[in-house]
Amino acid sequence: DTAVSQTPKYLVTQMGNDKSIKCEQNLGHDTMYWYKQDSKKFLKIMFSYNNKELIINETVPNRFSPKSPDKAHLNLHINSLELGDSAVYFCASSQDSGGSADTQYFGPGTRLTVL
Amino acid sequence: AQSVSQHNHHVILSEAASLELGCNYSYGGTVNLFWYVQYPGQHLQLLLKYFSGDPLVKGIKGFEAEFIKSKFSFNLRKPSVQWSDTAEYFCAVKVGYKLSFGAGTTVTVRA
Repeated sequence: DTAVSQTPKYLVTQMGNDKSIKCEQNLGHDTMYWYKQDSKKFLKIMFSYNNKELIINETVPNRFSPKSPDKAHLNLHINSLELGDSAVYFCASSQDSGGSADTQYFGPGTRLTVL
Repeated sequence: AQSVSQHNHHVILSEAASLELGCNYSYGGTVNLFWYVQYPGQHLQLLLKYFSGDPLVKGIKGFEAEFIKSKFSFNLRKPSVQWSDTAEYFCAVKVGYKLSFGAGTTVTVRA
């Protein structure tokens, strides 16, 4: 069974479109995350939700909006896509109380290409 | 805010060679430290982590890392690499909920 799953795996779209990436975890974790990995492999946190509440919101354009319908799901909606949004987006989850060393488990990634 | 620097961008070595990847962080308080690996085309997987106790941490696949608090370092080592260790290696520091990654080191092992 896949612990953290993302759909779609690949997403190719035109500039200006709106798209969503979905993430689900079946680990029973309380905290979920979205990361962006750029073409140089650099990973940066974008958002984090703990029990459906936003706890990390890094400097990300407001075209990006996370939504957590329940603690097992964290979706990422992107409006008005730009070329610079092309990247691999990773979802992750952890059983996290904030100050702990709980491991974050990553999904397989969604490769977004904006043409 | 915490930051992480990885010394090597790309390391190329032969099978059976020893590997050491440097990682330094900047944060004055208590941190939790991680090494993740990303094999080609795959997602990130945890290699090992440090949160307290013995500063020498052993992980999966023969990897180990040593936390040296005075040097703010958490270097990764493996005595003898295999071709299958070819991957991207990321050091990360966790403060609170936030996990901050280094830029990564590409390791290429030649058969």
